[in-house]
Parts: sequence; C-alpha cells; structure tokens
Amino acid sequence: SQQGEEDPQALSIQEGENATMNCSYKTSINNLQWYRQNSGRGLVHLILIRSNEREKHSGRLRVTLDTSKKSSSLLITASRAADTASYFCATVIQGAQKLVFGQGTRLTINP
Amino acid sequence: GAGVSQSPSNKVTEKGKDVELRCDPISGHTALYWYRQSLGQGLEFLIYFQGNSAPDKSGLPSDRFSAERTGGSVSTLTIQRTQQEDSAVYLCASSLREGGLRTEAFFGQGTRLTVV
Repeated sequence: SQQGEEDPQALSIQEGENATMNCSYKTSINNLQWYRQNSGRGLVHLILIRSNEREKHSGRLRVTLDTSKKSSSLLITASRAADTASYFCATVIQGAQKLVFGQGTRLTINP
Repeated sequence: GAGVSQSPSNKVTEKGKDVELRCDPISGHTALYWYRQSLGQGLEFLIYFQGNSAPDKSGLPSDRFSAERTGGSVSTLTIQRTQQEDSAVYLCASSLREGGLRTEAFFGQGTRLTVV
C-alpha cells in the first residue's frame, strides 16, 4: 500500500484563490517532498522539508510538517491558471531510503 | 549534464512479447528509481538502486519484471511476456544522497507502454 495519501483527490478553485493540499503518511520519515506533474509525464520537485523542520517557504509555496500527526500540507497562494497540475507528496521512510509517493491531488485553477 | 533521459518515449507491443525500457540518470547520481503510473493514478514504486548496494526490488509486481543497473549508471527495466495490465507510463528518477539522507529526485519524461 502507498505510504502517503493526499487529500483532497481533486480540487478546483478560481484564479487568485489559495489552494491547500494535505498529505498523511504512516511511518517515521527522514524527509517529505512535494512534486508537481503536468500531463501525466515527468514529475518536478517543488520543495523538501526535513523531519526536524515544521515549516518551509519557496515563492508562493508554503509547506508545513507535523510529525506528531504524520501529516503535511502544501499551500499555493495567489493561484494562477498555470498551477493546474497534479501534486504529489513523497516520503523517505527511515531506514528504507526509497522514495514513496501518494496518490496525488489534481488541482484545477479556473481563469 | 542533461537531465534524466528515458527511451523509448512510447512503446506499443503485442501481448506476450518482451520489452526493454532504458534510463540514463544524471551523471553522478548514485540513486536510481523506477516507478509505474497507470492513467490518473499515483506512482507505484518498482525498484530502487543505490550505489553498489543490493537493489530494493520489493515493488516489482511479478517475476516477469526485472531491472539492471550497469556500472552504476544506465538502467534497463525488462518486462517479459507482457500482459495488457502492464500498460502504463514507466518513470525513472535519480538523486544524490547527502549526509545519509535522500535529496530531491529528478525524473525523466517516462516511457508510455501500451500492450495490445
């Protein structure tokens, strides 16, 4: 079974609004990463947050991590039509080293 | 140098045939991953190579699937006696390892496999 689960599975908002996606995971992790995928092909890394960090920013992206609840959130502020994509969280499980992905959130930004 | 390169981009094969998918990782990246993604789904982990260590094959769905990584660089994923349920996009990624921790993964554009 997948390590991470994103919520919601799909999200549709108006341009300019903020988009929030959540990720829950099951086991202890070294770090958690968020990726973006356009058109069902290669993924692009957005941001990495380590297990000893609680919040991280990159441009219009804000990621939080709560290891006690085994959850993370990705906030995209002032959304643009070009942000339309699928977003995945991925975790590096302690002791396992492999990168395991969730099912993703399909985000649609309406002009 | 260049990013992760996968070939072919698309492959159509007849049921029962064998296929080989190739991945050229970023030079110097010690870790290499293979994933499978069915339409509209998440990424299913298949196999992970790290340097000279034994690969983590725990995600391979059956013994028809195998992968090699020669010289710590190029990797080939082989699917024998393909079945229609093998149809998917196969994604390869590579990454560095810093201080014992995994860094960001760089993905290729994938190979879309269609078994007819």
